Amino acid sequence: IQLTQSPSSLSASVGDRVTIPCRASQNVRGFLNWYQQKPGNAPQVLIYLVSSLQSGVPSRFSGNGSGTDFTLTITSLQFEDSATYYCQQSYTTPHTFGQGTKLDIK
Amino acid sequence: QVQLRESGPGLVKPSETLSLTCTVSGGSMNGAYWSWIRQPPGKGLEWIGHFYIGGSTTYNPSLKSRVTISADTSKKQFSLELSSVTAADTAVYYCARQDYHGSGSYDYWGQGALVTVSS
Repeated sequence: IQLTQSPSSLSASVGDRVTIPCRASQNVRGFLNWYQQKPGNAPQVLIYLVSSLQSGVPSRFSGNGSGTDFTLTITSLQFEDSATYYCQQSYTTPHTFGQGTKLDIK
Repeated sequence: QVQLRESGPGLVKPSETLSLTCTVSGGSMNGAYWSWIRQPPGKGLEWIGHFYIGGSTTYNPSLKSRVTISADTSKKQFSLELSSVTAADTAVYYCARQDYHGSGSYDYWGQGALVTVSS
């Protein structure tokens, strides 16, 4: 299953709301997760099973979608949200990741 | 709190075999899938394969002919071997746990091990 994230990068300001899309090449039956990765660090899960917030993750992060189309939304952007965001499907092997969306905070 | 740590050589010669070990601490290896995922410098994430204790091991078809994942549960370790490496295998290699019976996500990751393939 291919996951497509577009755009590959975007820029926003502190306090803004951004939405990052992810499209799957086939239905992933809700097994869609989102990760945040900062330079030099391993990815960290933000959202699992489309819309469930991982423990410890701020509530300004949210996920939505179904079937093949999903979004990660970040409200009230903070400087520390500057990172690359990946979607990932665990519906079937090989598990696959989107190519990532790099978010720059102005 | 589960912790994972990768270890192994940081430099491998072309055509040789890359070998890494992941040591798990702070929790049981039962009830989860244990995985290897890699990331070439400046690029995205690629799933290599996973196993479930008492179950099967599954590999990415793109690497299947060259990959072996094995485990020593008595030491709480699992290993990756990738044979016939080329420069294209240069990457940060992560071990990770998939919370299969819960979120289905990769909830614990190692810090990553950079492996460079070069003569």
